[in-house]
Amino acid sequence: GAVVSQHPSWVICKSGTSVKIECRSLDFQATTMFWYRQFPKQSLMLMATSNEGSKATYEQGVEKDKFLINHASLTLSTLTVTSAHPEDSSFYICSAPPTSTDTQYFGPGTRLTVL
Amino acid sequence: DAKTTQPTSMDCAEGRAANLPCNHSTISGNEYVYWYRQIHSQGPQYIIHGLKNNETNEMASLIITEDRKSSTLILPHATLRDTAVYYCIVNRPPNSGYALNFGKGTSLLVTP
Repeated sequence: GAVVSQHPSWVICKSGTSVKIECRSLDFQATTMFWYRQFPKQSLMLMATSNEGSKATYEQGVEKDKFLINHASLTLSTLTVTSAHPEDSSFYICSAPPTSTDTQYFGPGTRLTVL
Repeated sequence: DAKTTQPTSMDCAEGRAANLPCNHSTISGNEYVYWYRQIHSQGPQYIIHGLKNNETNEMASLIITEDRKSSTLILPHATLRDTAVYYCIVNRPPNSGYALNFGKGTSLLVTP
């Protein structure tokens, strides 16, 4: 299947700092990418839809000014958690659907811990 | 999007077939049935998907009832590495802009 990578795989930061997470589609182009987060013992929750060359679409309850998404190319989307707080500690996962298939593939996830 | 109902947990002996059921009685005609699994602290892994015909690949088989209101994922010879949370999702195709929405899934434990 198609490969999606994320960087970093884990990050620890101090409260109030910003953290950038990268999501790359390695062997296909993706006009759309999706960002999810997962709290312990819970399922994945969709945060936003990232669209190449346009603004992201955020799910209800997700602050767009706190979770900045940039989809600058057909293979890269970034999620920046601004002024991170301990409650932002979570597992962040991106995914992308190749235009040639009916499904989507997920990255390995980024574990964010805010102290 | 249609919602799904899955058992919270299941056990399966190593080497035996694991049959994971899913009910999706409100599925629409343009919605696919997707199965993913998530091993602890990893991103979800695609397993299989189908629209109305049964499907088989190197990982599993997907059996969809004729009325499409339920389906079963079959892992023919479960191994310890198949222990994971399995998600059944009904959705319009993601390449049309529709993100997959995850429920709680079934936690499958494969035992020696």
